[in-house]
Amino acid sequence: DSGVTQTPKHLITATGQRVTLRCSPRSGDLSVYWYQQSLDQGLQFLIHYYNGEERAKGNILERFSAQQFPDLHSELNLSSLELGDSALYFCASSDPKETQYFGPGTRLLVL
Amino acid sequence: GQQVMQIPQYQHVQEGEDFTTYCNSSTTLSNIQWYKQRPGGHPVFLIQLVKSGEVKKQKRLTFQFGEAKKNSSLHITATQTTDVGTYFCAGQRNFNKFYFGSGTKLNVKP
Repeated sequence: DSGVTQTPKHLITATGQRVTLRCSPRSGDLSVYWYQQSLDQGLQFLIHYYNGEERAKGNILERFSAQQFPDLHSELNLSSLELGDSALYFCASSDPKETQYFGPGTRLLVL
Repeated sequence: GQQVMQIPQYQHVQEGEDFTTYCNSSTTLSNIQWYKQRPGGHPVFLIQLVKSGEVKKQKRLTFQFGEAKKNSSLHITATQTTDVGTYFCAGQRNFNKFYFGSGTKLNVKP
């Protein structure tokens, strides 16, 4: 158990819909990262927040947005969903040494 | 843009054989991390390398960071079935965002 929690574990929705994925970092970690992992693919970096502020953006679509709240939990919002958005979405929090601790992931299926 | 290339994509070995995966970056990295992801699981941090030419060992695992800080390798000696999984490298430039390699999927036959 990494100490990072993600909800929900599974999500099934339809094209065109909007979903929100939630992540709670390890206690004391200020950084949250979001990644997308498609079937049998590597990890695509989406976005990084540090103490409520956006630090870096990766290959994140305009239909996707994220934020980190004052209590440090983070949400990833995915809108106008397409079939190709089906994937495993991981969040990770990091300690001051930049070691990343990954949550169990949210598996999103868009039908 | 910056890319981290990882090879091979797949590796099938007999238990007891050695295994190596390689990562190469088009630009100099500030540091590189290695992760292991078991089937159905999430990535788990293995190690971080920061210094040029650094070599670190964890039991049967040996990690290297190249002198130019553009390449890295993970070598497993005498693989065991518990080593099965996908191994990812993740490079940082200027300690900014992470660039993950595509991963090497290791299968170990008993």
